[in-house]
Amino acid sequence: DAGITQSPRHKVTETGTPVTLRCHQTENHRYMYWYRQDPGHGLRLIHYSYGVKDTDKGEVSDGYSVSRSKTEDFLLTLESATSSQTSVYFCAINRGNYGYTFGSGTRLTVV
Amino acid sequence: KQEVTQIPAALSVPEGENLVLNCSFTDSAIYNLQWFRQDPGKGLTSLLLIQSSQREQTSGRLNASLDKSSGRSTLYIAASQPGDSATYLCAVQDSNYQLIWGAGTKLIIKP
Repeated sequence: DAGITQSPRHKVTETGTPVTLRCHQTENHRYMYWYRQDPGHGLRLIHYSYGVKDTDKGEVSDGYSVSRSKTEDFLLTLESATSSQTSVYFCAINRGNYGYTFGSGTRLTVV
Repeated sequence: KQEVTQIPAALSVPEGENLVLNCSFTDSAIYNLQWFRQDPGKGLTSLLLIQSSQREQTSGRLNASLDKSSGRSTLYIAASQPGDSATYLCAVQDSNYQLIWGAGTKLIIKP
C-alpha cells in the first residue's frame, strides 16, 4: 500500500535461526505495529511502537523482539524461529484521522 | 474489555443484491471504527473509516454507519458484484490507539 512496505514478502527459514522482518514507512507517522495472522485466530498484535526507541508488547509478544531506531523503520526479530511462528506477518501504521494502513504482508515459513 | 462481534460469519448472495454486514462492540468509548477488506492470501485494504463523532461514511457503492450508543456499525454494499467477494473485517480503535478486531464476515457473491 502507499507509504508502507514490508520486506521480504516471503521467507523460508530453519528452526532455531534468527529472522528479521522489516517495515518501512515514508509518511513519518509515530505509531507502527506488527501483527500476525493465523487461521482461526485472526489478527493478533505482537508489538507496537509509539516513537523512536519507544516500543511495547502486544498480546503475543513471546519469542519476538522489535527495534525502532528511525521513525521510518520498524524491525521485527524472531531470535530463534520455531514452527509455531510460521504465519503471515503484517505491519501497520496509524495515520491519525485516516486510520490504519497495512503493508502487504510477509509470509514466513519455519521448517 | 472491548469485544467486537461480526454477524454473519459467512454470507452468500446472488450478484446484484444489496446487502448489509453487521459489526457490534461492547464499549462505546471508541476513537473510530474502520472497515477493511481482505482477499484470500492478500493484505488488508481499508474501505471506510468513521470517526466517533460521525454517523456515516460513503465511498462508491459502500456506506458505513455508526451508532455508538447502541454499539453498532453496518456496512451496506449496493448492487453487489462477484469482485466484492472477500472477507470483511471491522475494527474499533480505542483511546490507547489499539485496534480491536471482529472475526470477519466471509462474503461470496454468486454470478
